[in-house]
Amino acid sequence: QKEVEQDPGPLSVPEGAIVSLNCTYSNSAFQYFMWYRQYSRKGPELLMYTYSSGNKEDGRFTAQVDKSSKYISLFIRDSQPSDSATYLCAMQGGFKTIFGAGTRLFVKA
Amino acid sequence: GAVVSQHPSWVICKSGTSVKIECRSLDFQATTMFWYRQFPKQSLMLMATSNEGSKATYEQGVEKDKFLINHASLTLSTLTVTSAHPEDSSFYICSAIGTSGRASNEQFFGPGTRLTVL
Repeated sequence: QKEVEQDPGPLSVPEGAIVSLNCTYSNSAFQYFMWYRQYSRKGPELLMYTYSSGNKEDGRFTAQVDKSSKYISLFIRDSQPSDSATYLCAMQGGFKTIFGAGTRLFVKA
Repeated sequence: GAVVSQHPSWVICKSGTSVKIECRSLDFQATTMFWYRQFPKQSLMLMATSNEGSKATYEQGVEKDKFLINHASLTLSTLTVTSAHPEDSSFYICSAIGTSGRASNEQFFGPGTRLTVL
């Protein structure tokens, strides 16, 4: 079993839709949870960073962590074509960061 | 702030040759730099962790003699792929963690280097 599981998609939604991206993990030692956005042929950029269970909101993005279920989510409201990218979840316990496989998202105009 | 650059952005080389990729932190000092490789439609796989002035720590399965890493200063790390083969073709991405400020709490990624070995 992989430490971090993420559906690679692709996920295709119309503009304006609410997007839900998810990851599950098996290692209860993970303490920090991140979401990265990666455009094609570019390096990842950090979108959201959370430490505890609960929700964290930043503009159209909401990150949700449920440590009891070992499940994290990223919600994108009012999705835009510019949101089309690969979204990687990442988790950190100690000094090492483990990335999910990434979900490819397409937002159609 | 907290910008990481990579050079070159893409490179094509012949099988058997060596290729050097540079990773620079432009506006902060990086105590630690990470090297990842990413195959198409797959996630980032950590290859090695390098700390300035010391030997890199390689992940299991990564050949030290094939992927030479040098972290000679707080702003520069290099990855040299020696005797490259077509199976080494991949997207190589570095990241850096700084010594202070925001850069000390976040891993900043470079734009990546696309390596194609013919």
